[in-house]
Amino acid sequence: KAGVTQTPRYLIKTRGQQVTLSCSPISGHRSVSWYQQTPGQGLQFLFEYFSETQRNKGNFPGRFSGRQFSNSRSEMNVSTLELGDSALYLCASSAGPTSNEKLFFGSGTQLSVL
Amino acid sequence: AQTVTQSQPEMSVQEAETVTLSCTYDTSESDYYLFWYKQPPSRQMILVIRQEAYKQQNATENRFSVNFQKAAKSFSLKISDSQLGDAAMYFCAYRSALQSGAGSYQLTFGKGTKLSVIP
Repeated sequence: KAGVTQTPRYLIKTRGQQVTLSCSPISGHRSVSWYQQTPGQGLQFLFEYFSETQRNKGNFPGRFSGRQFSNSRSEMNVSTLELGDSALYLCASSAGPTSNEKLFFGSGTQLSVL
Repeated sequence: AQTVTQSQPEMSVQEAETVTLSCTYDTSESDYYLFWYKQPPSRQMILVIRQEAYKQQNATENRFSVNFQKAAKSFSLKISDSQLGDAAMYFCAYRSALQSGAGSYQLTFGKGTKLSVIP
C-alpha cells in the first residue's frame, strides 16, 4: 500500500509568486491535514479536510488556502509568497478523524522563497 | 490553547545504552492523547508511540516506552538499547480529545529534540 505522496519534493519560488502543493493520501483515507515546519516556529497546523470539507483551520493568513477533491487528494495554495513562507510543508492522512485513527505523514515539500 | 515544551534541543547516547527525552505540556483538558514522533533525515514523520490520557498504564512499543505523569503534565520517552537508526529529531505532540470528538485531528507539537547515537 503506497504511503502519503507529496509533490513536488522541492520548490523554489520568488517573492510575490503563488505556489500549489499536492498531497495524495493513503488509499482509502478520507482525512488530510497540512502542517508547516520551520526552524523558528517548529511544526504548525495549517488546515484539515475530511470528505472535501475543511474541518479546521490554523492561525495563518488568508494567503494560505487549500482544498480536497472527491478522490481525497488535497492541494494547498499560497499566494503572494513572502520570504517567511520558506518551510517544509507536511501533509498527513488518516482514515477519518476519530479518536483511534493513526496519522500518517508524507515526506513533505521543501519550499524556498527567494 | 495547549502548549508542548521539549526542553532538550539536542541529546546524544551511546549505542546500546538508554536515553530519556523529556516533554511537558500545558492543558486545561482532562482527556487527550499524547504522541512521540520521529523525523529522520528523510523528513517523514513516523509515529513512535501513543498514550491516551485516561489510561494509567504507560504505553510500550518494543524498545520505546513512556513515563506518563498526568498530574505533573509530563510525558517522557525512554529508548532502550539505542541503535544507530534511532538517530533523528523526536517530537512530542498533543491532541485534544474534545477536538477528536468534534471530528478534528489537529496536533500541537513541541520544538523537537535532536538525538544523536554514538557508535
